[in-house]
Amino acid sequence: DSGVTQTPKHLITATGQRVTLRCSPRSGDLSVYWYQQSLDQGLQFLIQYYNGEERAKGNILERFSAQQFPDLHSELNLSSLELGDSALYFCASSVGSGREENIQYFGAGTRLSVL
Amino acid sequence: ILNVEQSPQSLHVQEGDSTNFTCSFPSSNFYALHWYRWETAKSPEALFVMTLNGDEKKKGRISATLNTKEGYSYLYIKGSQPEDSATYLCALRDRGSNYKLTFGKGTLLTVNP
Repeated sequence: DSGVTQTPKHLITATGQRVTLRCSPRSGDLSVYWYQQSLDQGLQFLIQYYNGEERAKGNILERFSAQQFPDLHSELNLSSLELGDSALYFCASSVGSGREENIQYFGAGTRLSVL
Repeated sequence: ILNVEQSPQSLHVQEGDSTNFTCSFPSSNFYALHWYRWETAKSPEALFVMTLNGDEKKKGRISATLNTKEGYSYLYIKGSQPEDSATYLCALRDRGSNYKLTFGKGTLLTVNP
């Protein structure tokens, strides 16, 4: 168990809908990262938050947004869902901001199916 | 867009065999390389973080080397066991991409008993 908790584990929804994925980082970790794993793709970095502030942005679509709350948990919001958004979404956390070399600890992921 | 390449894509070995696979990456702006082990239905688990050219790291039967000048890292598994079956991912952090991790697509290792 990595100590990173993601909910829900599975999510099935329809095109055009909006969903929220939740992540609780390991105790003491200030950074949260979101990744997307689609079929035939490697893990794609979406966005990083450090202590409530956005720190780095990857290939995140405009329909997607995220935030990190004062208690350090994070939510990834996906709206106007399309079939191609079906993927495994991982959250990871680390102690630092990402500019030092910290290991990232991954949650078990949320599998999103858009029908 | 950074290109982190892993080879082979998949590998089948017999229990007891030793094996190795490669992670290739652009060497300019190198900052660190991560190796992860990802078992089916579980989350990626960090194996090594390597930052210096010539670094060698070892964890039990698994070891890794790093060559930042030529842009590659090798992961070795000695005496493979069925429980080593997993996808092995490498990820590059470089200075030019705001320190985010760029993952390769992984090498899927299957160890047959």
